[in-house]
Amino acid sequence: NAGVTQTPKFRVLKTGQSMTLLCAQDMNHEYMYWYRQDPGMGLRLIHYSVGEGTTAKGEVPDGYNVSRLKKQNFLLGLESAAPSQTSVYFCASSYSGVLAPANYGYTFGSGTRLTVV
Amino acid sequence: AQTVTQSQPEMSVQEAETVTLSCTYDTSESNYYLFWYKQPPSRQMILVIRQEAYKQQNATENRFSVNFQKAAKSFSLKISDSQLGDTAMYFCAFMKQGADGLTFGKGTHLIIQP
Repeated sequence: NAGVTQTPKFRVLKTGQSMTLLCAQDMNHEYMYWYRQDPGMGLRLIHYSVGEGTTAKGEVPDGYNVSRLKKQNFLLGLESAAPSQTSVYFCASSYSGVLAPANYGYTFGSGTRLTVV
Repeated sequence: AQTVTQSQPEMSVQEAETVTLSCTYDTSESNYYLFWYKQPPSRQMILVIRQEAYKQQNATENRFSVNFQKAAKSFSLKISDSQLGDTAMYFCAFMKQGADGLTFGKGTHLIIQP
């Protein structure tokens, strides 16, 4: 099925470990996003990308790095995981253009539940 | 920066009743879009309804409708004839033109009682 695929779906890390979350989309979308969801906080934007080779900071970028080496993939990295990074992470994508996200909407992945102990 | 406020952390109604979820926002943008997303226990984010700020007519999608008050910066969601499957978290979201993504409220947990 076409859409946004996130891997892994679940992960437990020890404090200080590193990991990479992968987001892959097969809809030829230019825009891609990483959000985190915490209880009572809604979804908050971590980083986003408007095209291959570009990245930009969102609302809560500290402690995360991202890369968009290929148009279809958007990677989120945690270099030294902390318990505060325990969260559910969502990737989303959209067509580009001023009105495209409004007209065509965002496609979300099913999320990755990350626990840092 | 934009902010989105959902003042009702949790609501509970009986099946078949009508329920209204509140959302207010703050922005200096003149062109923007507003959304309601549903997140059931499966965690999937599902678009319920969207509203363009330049449109005065309130959006409707079957049992879902919005009351958009631009001057008051209010965007409430009304669910008519509520069903058990409507039980979920509901998020109000704001988007300005461009690629900056969505700004979400903290969500309202809606419970439909049988």
